Amino acid sequence: GAGVSQSPSNKVTEKGKDVELRCDPISGHTALYWYRQSLGQGLEFLIYFQGNSAPDKSGLPSDRFSAERTGGSVSTLTIQRTQQEDSAVYLCASTLGWGSYNEQFFGPGTRLTVL
Amino acid sequence: AQSVAQPEDQVNVAEGNPLTVKCTYSVSGNPYLFWYVQYPNRGLQFLLKYITGDNLVKGSYGFEAEFNKSQTSFHLKKPSALVSDSALYFCAVRDPGGGNKLTFGTGTQLKVEL
Repeated sequence: GAGVSQSPSNKVTEKGKDVELRCDPISGHTALYWYRQSLGQGLEFLIYFQGNSAPDKSGLPSDRFSAERTGGSVSTLTIQRTQQEDSAVYLCASTLGWGSYNEQFFGPGTRLTVL
Repeated sequence: AQSVAQPEDQVNVAEGNPLTVKCTYSVSGNPYLFWYVQYPNRGLQFLLKYITGDNLVKGSYGFEAEFNKSQTSFHLKKPSALVSDSALYFCAVRDPGGGNKLTFGTGTQLKVEL
């Protein structure tokens, strides 16, 4: 079956512009996560969706970042008024079921470059 | 707060030799521990996990990891390294009482040479 897909694979934008990053999780996976991987740093948790529960937004770095998940499937991460420090690879992952012991399956990522 | 430390930025090993990539963790409860591998320009791939039970966990591509509660470690090992194992390896921990997010280490670059 298909894995987690993300689009676009690369995005170059100018400082101050808004960007939208898309994630299609594995079919049937109820949990969806967004992470950010910056150069020289590890992976930073951003936000987590589980079913119809309220998302865990504790990792979002500022109010310029938001995410939604429509119909329990596709998710969009939006960054408003992008800054150069937002340049990173944004990774999406999904998990089958609620159990926190389930491994996460990652997409290939979107590489965002803010000029 | 949960945390993970990978003390080595890079590990070099000759093909055919055993390899170890180190990981230590800190959580308030019993940990769920994971290893992932990242190849260039690719997403992370799951290797193995420890939830409960036997301290030695076997995973994909011949990798295994040993959970040591007293030393709070979860080192990744492979008896005989391959050049194709060269990649970036991440250790991650989830505190079952701390929500569902994974906390990752900063990664260890493994380089296997002929």
